[in-house]
Amino acid sequence: EAQVTQNPRYLITVTGKKLTVTCSQNMNHEYMSWYRQDPGLGLRQIYYSMNVEVTDKGDVPEGYKVSRKEKRNFPLILESPSPNQTSLYFCASSLDRGANQPQHFGDGTRLSIL
Amino acid sequence: GNSVTQMEGPVTLSEEAFLTINCTYTATGYPSLFWYVQYPGEGLQLLLKATKADDKGSNKGFEATYRKETTSFHLEKGSVQVSDSAVYFCALRKGGSSNTGKLIFGQGTTLQVKP
Repeated sequence: EAQVTQNPRYLITVTGKKLTVTCSQNMNHEYMSWYRQDPGLGLRQIYYSMNVEVTDKGDVPEGYKVSRKEKRNFPLILESPSPNQTSLYFCASSLDRGANQPQHFGDGTRLSIL
Repeated sequence: GNSVTQMEGPVTLSEEAFLTINCTYTATGYPSLFWYVQYPGEGLQLLLKATKADDKGSNKGFEATYRKETTSFHLEKGSVQVSDSAVYFCALRKGGSSNTGKLIFGQGTTLQVKP
């Protein structure tokens, strides 16, 4: 089954404790992206990757890092999480960055930073 | 800049009622347009898409037509069911070498269907 898998689904942690949210897709997609969803602000892009070893900042990259060492994986790293990073996070992938390619989303990761 | 505006929610309907969720966009060039649905506790699922003017996307009884003259992509369904209760997002994506490939989302519209 074609899917985007995120882990963990839920995490409660404390300020400053490094964490990684994993994302994996099995569709051989070149393009991957992270979004955060906040009430009243909708979904905003954090980082994206056009292909292996090619990553770039989205609209809200501060406080986050990513890597793309393999095509299927695109982890999101919070080196020193802060309470303003409490949010619902989604990983997405698409065949490429073409306009007509829909992005496929994972089930989301709800992070609470205390 | 590029943006998507959706009608405010929540929208509450009785089962079998007609649904319209309005969506308008601002963008240069020729974006593709999408509707995504988010059921409680789940991720976003693609509902339908349209890639050029006058295209009609349809799926599961929902449909939307890409209207370039009114920059709109309104979602419609003739007869809603309780199982359609969810949050609906309108989004656009632009192509081209200068674009990041991100989806630009509207705020989302919550639909509640009562039996």
